[in-house]
Amino acid sequence: DIVMTQSPDSLAVSLGERATINCKSSQDVLYRPNNRNLLGWYQQKPGQPPKLVVYWASIRQSGVPDRFSGSGSGTDFTLTINSLQPEDVAVYYCQQFYTTPFTFGQGTKLEIK
Amino acid sequence: EVRLVESGGGLVQPGGSLRLSCAASGFTFSGCWMNWVRQAPGKGLEWVAYIQQDGGEKAYVDSVKGRFTISRDNVKNSLYLEMNSLTAEDTGVYYCAANAPLNYWGQGTLVTVSS
Repeated sequence: DIVMTQSPDSLAVSLGERATINCKSSQDVLYRPNNRNLLGWYQQKPGQPPKLVVYWASIRQSGVPDRFSGSGSGTDFTLTINSLQPEDVAVYYCQQFYTTPFTFGQGTKLEIK
Repeated sequence: EVRLVESGGGLVQPGGSLRLSCAASGFTFSGCWMNWVRQAPGKGLEWVAYIQQDGGEKAYVDSVKGRFTISRDNVKNSLYLEMNSLTAEDTGVYYCAANAPLNYWGQGTLVTVSS
């Protein structure tokens, strides 16, 4: 199974500042036929289901504010949230969908400092 | 409007069974991979199973293999999860979610395994 490891486990950032969450996969998740990294990022607020924010490692889902961006390739990925807003407080998960089981990272809890 | 509505959760004794359902609307259900994802109380997300569009291919996380069965009915736009030999470790909210990556999610249904 591909193990997804996120860092840090929790993060406190001031309003208007940048938050950076890292995700490392134990195996390469680059699908070479289309050169896409099969990696997604999800945001989960308390009492709500997760919401997809970034897919293919760097493509922002429709309707997601442009302060969210994803980067990385192969085994190392980053979700960056610029100019943190109060509504960004949530737990963020990465997930690989390169091969089953489609494993998630353990989650990163983002709070306001 | 895309909707995924799970049902069938509840309290069940260890060793018991449950059948979860997920009713889909607002998108082309028959064209989508479908998944079940669960979340134990206060814990992270765990992918449980997926089924291809025509039901021909399925996959499961190791911890549920041989106990859970995913299925779908593309006429009824519905997804199912048959769960047998339940243990306390199966307790949690079960979400159905569409595609890979998972771009549509339901609100979840709570399964509690306890005596």
